[in-house]
Amino acid sequence: DAEITQSPRHKITETGRQVTLACHQTWNHNNMFWYRQDLGHGLRLIHYSYGVQDTNKGEVSDGYSVSRSNTEDLPLTLESAASSQTSVYFCASSESIRGGDTEAFFGQGTRLTVV
Amino acid sequence: GQSLEQPSEVTAVEGAIVQINCTYQTSGFYGLSWYQQHDGGAPTFLSYNALDGLEETGRFSSFLSRSDSYGYLLLQELQMKDSASYFCAVTGGGNKLTFGTGTQLKVEL
Repeated sequence: DAEITQSPRHKITETGRQVTLACHQTWNHNNMFWYRQDLGHGLRLIHYSYGVQDTNKGEVSDGYSVSRSNTEDLPLTLESAASSQTSVYFCASSESIRGGDTEAFFGQGTRLTVV
Repeated sequence: GQSLEQPSEVTAVEGAIVQINCTYQTSGFYGLSWYQQHDGGAPTFLSYNALDGLEETGRFSSFLSRSDSYGYLLLQELQMKDSASYFCAVTGGGNKLTFGTGTQLKVEL
């Protein structure tokens, strides 16, 4: 069965360190998204990609970067981790369908704590 | 940009019907989706509306009025397992998905 997996599931890191969260999907979806989820803020879009070599900034992209070298993976990098980046991070993917009628599939999330 | 508003919390009793509203402002709009998320879990897709009207999927129905920038999720015959957070989400240009802040539904006996 196709799936979308995130790793690690839990991560503790120190302020100032570079951290990379992995996201791998076997749906062969073109669209991939990274969200962070914090109490009271719902799911906020960090970065997204519509295909290989394509990346776009979301509403909360400062301090984060992504790269898309193949269809399956969209790693999220925190360049210099800050305590404000303590959150639960979700990766999602969806098929490109005209008109947007497409279901997004989510990974199980990565709980990141910056100390 | 895009913004979505929904109530933060709704409480209902088992067997009842509950409606969760969502209003949105968006610069591009293809459709409105609803997702369910249980505590500690990942969001899962419930429904999608691109056109005005009601879409029914089992106990869940979703409604959209594009002229009013408004939609709702209707849950019937509530069960304890329906206790979760529910998010509306707008699909904008290029399948970009923007979520609301979520509504926590508590189902009581």
